[in-house]
Amino acid sequence: RKEVEQDPGPFNVPEGATVAFNCTYSNSASQSFFWYRQDCRKEPKLLMSVYSSGNEDGRFTAQLNRASQYISLLIRDSKLSDSATYLCVVIVSSGSARQLTFGSGTQLTVLP
Amino acid sequence: EAEVAQSPRYKITEKSQAVAFWCDPISGHATLYWYRQILGQGPELLVQFQDESVVDDSQLPKDRFSAERLKGVDSTLKIQPAELGDSAMYLCASSLVGVLGETQYFGPGTRLLVL
Repeated sequence: RKEVEQDPGPFNVPEGATVAFNCTYSNSASQSFFWYRQDCRKEPKLLMSVYSSGNEDGRFTAQLNRASQYISLLIRDSKLSDSATYLCVVIVSSGSARQLTFGSGTQLTVLP
Repeated sequence: EAEVAQSPRYKITEKSQAVAFWCDPISGHATLYWYRQILGQGPELLVQFQDESVVDDSQLPKDRFSAERLKGVDSTLKIQPAELGDSAMYLCASSLVGVLGETQYFGPGTRLLVL
């Protein structure tokens, strides 16, 4: 089993749709969680951190469920510009070392 | 806005040759990471530096890969000899750990093609 697994995708949704991605992690000692966005042939860019209390940034909402060991990303009112690959990142810290594990990404295409 | 710089942006080499990638992190960022991303997959951590010290290189194939950050600022990742399977994008990231946690900033990457 992979340490971090994401919905395989691809997700093709119409403009205005709501779409949700999940990401599960296997290490219960994981401490920090993030969602990154990666456009084709570009570097990943931080989208948002994920907290136990959940956090929202405009049309984007991220949730963490420690009991079930998954994080989610919800995108409301999808825009064409949301088309990208969404990567979840899980971090386990040990002293000064931080073990970062990326999921393989979920590809989203928003259609006009 | 400050950015992580990487060079070259693209590199084509033949197998068995040596290649080197350079990364200049955002000023003041003590932590620097090198990742490898194969097409269709997420980035895979190769090595993490804290200032000039390696804190995690457990995923670095040390028979052919080496990384250094001599003065705790910029860093070089080297592959010698390159193999066909090394074709990938090599990403550098730097981060600052603050009160709200750590945020990583990625450079544009170096695309390596080994022929």
